[in-house]
Amino acid sequence: GAVVSQHPSWVICKSGTSVKIECRSLDFQATTMFWYRQFPKQSLMLMATSNEGSKATYEQGVEKDKFLINHASLTLSTLTVTSAHPEDSSFYICSARMLAGHNEQFFGPGTRLTVL
Amino acid sequence: GQNIDQPTEMTATEGAIVQINCTYQTSGFNGLFWYQQHAGEAPTFLSYNVLDGLEEKGRFSSFLSRSKGYSYLLLKELQMKDSASYLCAVMDSNYQLIWGAGTKLIIKP
Repeated sequence: GAVVSQHPSWVICKSGTSVKIECRSLDFQATTMFWYRQFPKQSLMLMATSNEGSKATYEQGVEKDKFLINHASLTLSTLTVTSAHPEDSSFYICSARMLAGHNEQFFGPGTRLTVL
Repeated sequence: GQNIDQPTEMTATEGAIVQINCTYQTSGFNGLFWYQQHAGEAPTFLSYNVLDGLEEKGRFSSFLSRSKGYSYLLLKELQMKDSASYLCAVMDSNYQLIWGAGTKLIIKP
């Protein structure tokens, strides 16, 4: 149990286009979902925390107008990278936390974004 | 500020034992996690400690001392597939995970 999926697994796009990444909790309801970014050989960097039905909380330095997060249901959150540029190329990973009472975060498999 | 420290890289021999240390200073404490991350993949959960002591799970064990702000991950009977990065993360008083930079473990035959 506790499976999180991400789609797509990898995407290549042209500079200036927008890319949407989906994160789904497949067999549990997630009150909170987290979006991370990881550059090569670096640790995970939390971008934002999203709670179902409310606005996401962004970490310092993360542009909320560039990285749009929607958490429409207890099983789905989306991250849209708007007007992507080569410096946005990274490994984007989501995680989900179950309803209150369980602290563990379950990670999706990640999405590798390459912006040309 | 909040801080998680762990060694950048460690090397060990197949079949041996290795201990990866993690020290932390956070605002509040709601548990400490260890994750394994292979190159190009997302992290996978290994262990969770919220009380002092040792938690054993097969070849992997994790220890916590809250008074010392210290944890370690112990890997026994090392296998080549254990070559990966090991991430220490602490959940603070806001239930946010504070991540260490990870320890890259290299296993040699």
